[in-house]
Amino acid sequence: IAGITQAPTSQILAAGRRMTLRCTQDMRHNAMYWYRQDLGLGLRLIHYSNTAGTTGKGEVPDGYSVSRANTDDFPLTLASAVPSQTSVYFCASSANAGQGAREQFFGPGTRLTVL
Amino acid sequence: GQNIDQPTEMTATEGAIVQINCTYQTSGFNGLFWYQQHAGEAPTFLSYNVLDGLEEKGRFSSFLSRSKGYSYLLLKELQMKDSASYLCAVLDSNYQLIWGAGTKLIIKP
Repeated sequence: IAGITQAPTSQILAAGRRMTLRCTQDMRHNAMYWYRQDLGLGLRLIHYSNTAGTTGKGEVPDGYSVSRANTDDFPLTLASAVPSQTSVYFCASSANAGQGAREQFFGPGTRLTVL
Repeated sequence: GQNIDQPTEMTATEGAIVQINCTYQTSGFNGLFWYQQHAGEAPTFLSYNVLDGLEEKGRFSSFLSRSKGYSYLLLKELQMKDSASYLCAVLDSNYQLIWGAGTKLIIKP
């Protein structure tokens, strides 16, 4: 079934540890996104990639890094986790970015708890 | 700054009609989206408006007024499965989505 997968589903992490959240899509979408969702707040964009080989910073990029080596994969890395990074993380993709931006498709999310 | 406002929570009765409002102030406008998100799940796309007017899709309709910075999502013939959060999002001048906090809709029998 075409779509977006994320791993892990959930994770409890000690503060200071390094963690990579994985995201893979098989829809051959050009654009991919990482959001965090916290109670009472809207989805906030962490990083994005308009096409393979390029990345950009969103609204809340500090403490996170991404790479886009190919079309399908867009991992998000927390170099040294802090408790404020406790959140639900969603990966999303869309066929195109910019003027072609339309519907975004979301992965099932990763629930991360940093202690 | 950029801002999207929606009511935090609404309650409606099964079989009835409910209107969820969204007002926005953003740097530029390239379209407005509505997404549905059931508890513990990912958001899923409902509608996209870029021109003023009403877009109808089955039981759901979405309206946009760009001059007023206003949209609403209209849900008819409410069903229990419509209990979810409804997220309003605007594509700004940089073609990035700015999201509202969402409206939690509770359907009562």
